[in-house]
Amino acid sequence: NAGVTQTPKFQVLKTGQSMTLQCAQDMNHEYMSWYRQDPGMGLRLIHYSVGAGITDQGEVPNGYNVSRSTTEDFPLRLLSAAPSQTSVYFCASSYGGNNDGYTFGSGTRLTVV
Amino acid sequence: QQQVKQSPQSLIVQKGGISIINCAYENTAFDYFPWYQQFPGKGPALLIAIRPDVSEKKEGRFTISFNKSAKQFSLHIMDSQPGDSATYFCARARAGSYQLTFGKGTKLSVIP
Repeated sequence: NAGVTQTPKFQVLKTGQSMTLQCAQDMNHEYMSWYRQDPGMGLRLIHYSVGAGITDQGEVPNGYNVSRSTTEDFPLRLLSAAPSQTSVYFCASSYGGNNDGYTFGSGTRLTVV
Repeated sequence: QQQVKQSPQSLIVQKGGISIINCAYENTAFDYFPWYQQFPGKGPALLIAIRPDVSEKKEGRFTISFNKSAKQFSLHIMDSQPGDSATYFCARARAGSYQLTFGKGTKLSVIP
């Protein structure tokens, strides 16, 4: 049982480049979310999904796109990377929303230069 | 955006001591208050959670105390161990909401 798998673990981008952060879960969880973690800022919600085909914005959605074509996968796309997007990104999933707690992946450390 | 104010930012506790982390929130329309534990290089993991219809919840050495009138909730770690050294986040959410709002975290160091 792999849980929540994020790839890549590390990435360096140049300003203006685009990329996709991958997230996959094998627990048949309906709910998936993307958070970014910055020093002294805690975790901030970027986008979330309550099921395949359904996504919504969180607290800091600008500059990011998501889609949910399957229950298992929830990729996060950076359209045109900016230095302000340098952060550690976490994907999380849950079977029953907040009632059951979220399972987090191990994160992707992204640096935009 | 409603915030959760977490304190202290960092905490150093002797082995065997009690670690106490506090969180305060502004709006009473929330009914789920989890705590997450994060080790370096890892994602956060759910530690313990409470709903405001109870004043205290205990799981092993970890206890959440909830004070609804003061809009505060606290994490107590009894008999703190070096293995408890991690960053702890409180969070809150409305019933049925998928949006967890996190505090800024407390870095706990338990020294031998």
